[in-house]
This record gives sequence, C-alpha cells and structure tokens, in this order.
Amino acid sequence: GAVVSQHPSWVICKSGTSVKIECRSLDFQATTMFWYRQFPKQSLMLMATSNEGSKATYEQGVEKDKFLINHASLTLSTLTVTSAHPEDSSFYICSASASGSSYEQYFGPGTRLTVT
Amino acid sequence: AQTVTQSQPEMSVQEAETVTLSCTYDTSESDYYLFWYKQPPSRQMILVIRQEAYKQQNATENRFSVNFQKAAKSFSLKISDSQLGDAAMYFCAYRSGSGANSKLTFGKGITLSVRP
Repeated sequence: GAVVSQHPSWVICKSGTSVKIECRSLDFQATTMFWYRQFPKQSLMLMATSNEGSKATYEQGVEKDKFLINHASLTLSTLTVTSAHPEDSSFYICSASASGSSYEQYFGPGTRLTVT
Repeated sequence: AQTVTQSQPEMSVQEAETVTLSCTYDTSESDYYLFWYKQPPSRQMILVIRQEAYKQQNATENRFSVNFQKAAKSFSLKISDSQLGDAAMYFCAYRSGSGANSKLTFGKGITLSVRP
C-alpha cells in the first residue's frame, strides 16, 4: 500500500512554455502533499506544501507565480512550471502523507524536467 | 530552525562488511522523528528506517540499525552484511512531531559505494 505516482516521468519542453506534473496517491487519501526539487548529487529542497482545497504554502525563495500548485482532491496535486527556462531543468519529486500513519510521507518516483 | 548535518559526502564499503553513516541534527523540540532514506540510481526515495524521539530503543530493520543518541543529537545508520544493492545515496532526515503539515528537513546526503 501507500503508493504515489507521478506523471510524466520525464518531459522535455521549450523555453517559454508551461509544463504540468501530476502527483497521485493511488491507494490512500492524502491529507497533505509536498513538492521537492532536486539537482544532481544534491539533497531534496522543499518547494511547497499543499492541502486539499487550500492554497499551497511556499518555502522562502520559491516563486509562487512560476510554480503553480493545485491540490484539487485528496488524491491529486499538480505542479505547473510556467514560462519555463533552462534553469528550471531539474528533478521534481512529490510526496504525500495521510492521517492514521503518523503522517508518514510517501514519495513518488519523480519527474525529470528538461527545458531547452 | 532545525538542521541536519551529514558531514561525509562519500563512503565505500566492501561487500559483506559493515558500514556506519553519520548524522547529527539540531533542534529545541522534544517531539520529533528521525529517518534514513535511500535513493538508488532510479532516484525513487525509499524509507530505510525511522526512529521516534520518545523511544529509547534503537530502531532495527533487518540489516539496518540506528544508534540514536538523543542527548548528543546523533543518529547514525549501521548497515551490516553490505550488499551490492545497498549502493545508493543516503539521506538523514528530521521531522517535527506528527502533524499533517510536518516538513521533512534533509541532510546533504552521502553516496555509498559497495565494492564487490
């Protein structure tokens, strides 16, 4: 149990376009979802925390107008990178937590974004 | 703010031998959790072991065990009988309490290689 999926697993987009990444909890209802960014050989950096039906809470330094997060249901959160630039190229990971499991975070497999 | 420090960027171990990965943290809280995550080349985050701060007994999961020294704020991971599949990046992480929006704070990670 506690499976989290992400789609797509990798995406290439042109500079200036927008790209949407989906994060789904497949077998549980996620109270909270988290979005991370990871550069090669580096640690995970938390970008934002989202709760179903509420606005996301962004970490300091993360541009909320550039990284739009929508948590429309208890099983789906989306991250949209707007007007992408090459410096947005990175590995994006989501995690989801639920009540009843001490709010353990379950991680998705990640999405590799390349902006050309 | 809580901090997690992994001071060793890389370690190597001979197959079947034992290796210990170090982690220290800083917090003024009394209710928290500590984790070790494994990130293999696939980049899927895998929970290796977790420790509740209120528990004095060190957590153990098969070949993986921790040495939790609460007063020293130290949380090291011991891998016994190392296997080739243990080669990965390992992250130590801290989480406050058990609330829905509790964030994970990660260390910088350590790359573990296993020599056949």
